[in-house]
Amino acid sequence: RKEVEQDPGPFNVPEGATVAFNCTYSNSASQSFFWYRQDCRKEPKLLMSVYSSGNEDGRFTAQLNRASQYISLLIRDSKLSDSATYLCVVTLYNNNDMRFGAGTRLTVKP
Amino acid sequence: DAGVTQSPTHLIKTRGQHVTLRCSPISGHKSVSWYQQVLGQGPQFIFQYYEKEERGRGNFPDRFSARQFPNYSSELNVNALLLGDSALYLCASSLGGFRETQYFGPGTRLLVL
Repeated sequence: RKEVEQDPGPFNVPEGATVAFNCTYSNSASQSFFWYRQDCRKEPKLLMSVYSSGNEDGRFTAQLNRASQYISLLIRDSKLSDSATYLCVVTLYNNNDMRFGAGTRLTVKP
Repeated sequence: DAGVTQSPTHLIKTRGQHVTLRCSPISGHKSVSWYQQVLGQGPQFIFQYYEKEERGRGNFPDRFSARQFPNYSSELNVNALLLGDSALYLCASSLGGFRETQYFGPGTRLLVL
């Protein structure tokens, strides 16, 4: 079983749609959680950190459920510019190891 | 301000050769980490260095080694290259490790023939 699992997609949605991505992690000792965004043939960039209380940044909302070892990302009012691969990331071992999911690909269409 | 820089951008090697990849972190960042990204997969963690000391190591064979210099730049070395080492190698820097935002460089694309 992979340490971090994501639905690979692709998700193809129209502009303005709401889309949700899920991620599960296997190691209960995971400590920090993030969503990164990676555009085609570019480097990953931090989208947002994920906290137990849930957090929101504009159209993006992230949730963490430690009991179920589950992380989610919700994107509201999708824009064409949201088209990218979204990577779920957890850290382990006193934050000295970082594990990425394989990514979920999103395409927003006009 | 300059971001994370990596060199070279592209590299072609043959099996059995060795390769050295270089990374310069953002000014003021003391932590550098290395990742391997195979097409269609997420990055896989190789090494993390902080203040010139190895802080973490992923599940990679001993053919992979790295170091961090006094100016916080870093090198990743891979010996006895295999076809399966063909990938994008990413370097990321941060202020203090994985709790902090990782800023990635553009990567080095390595092709092993």
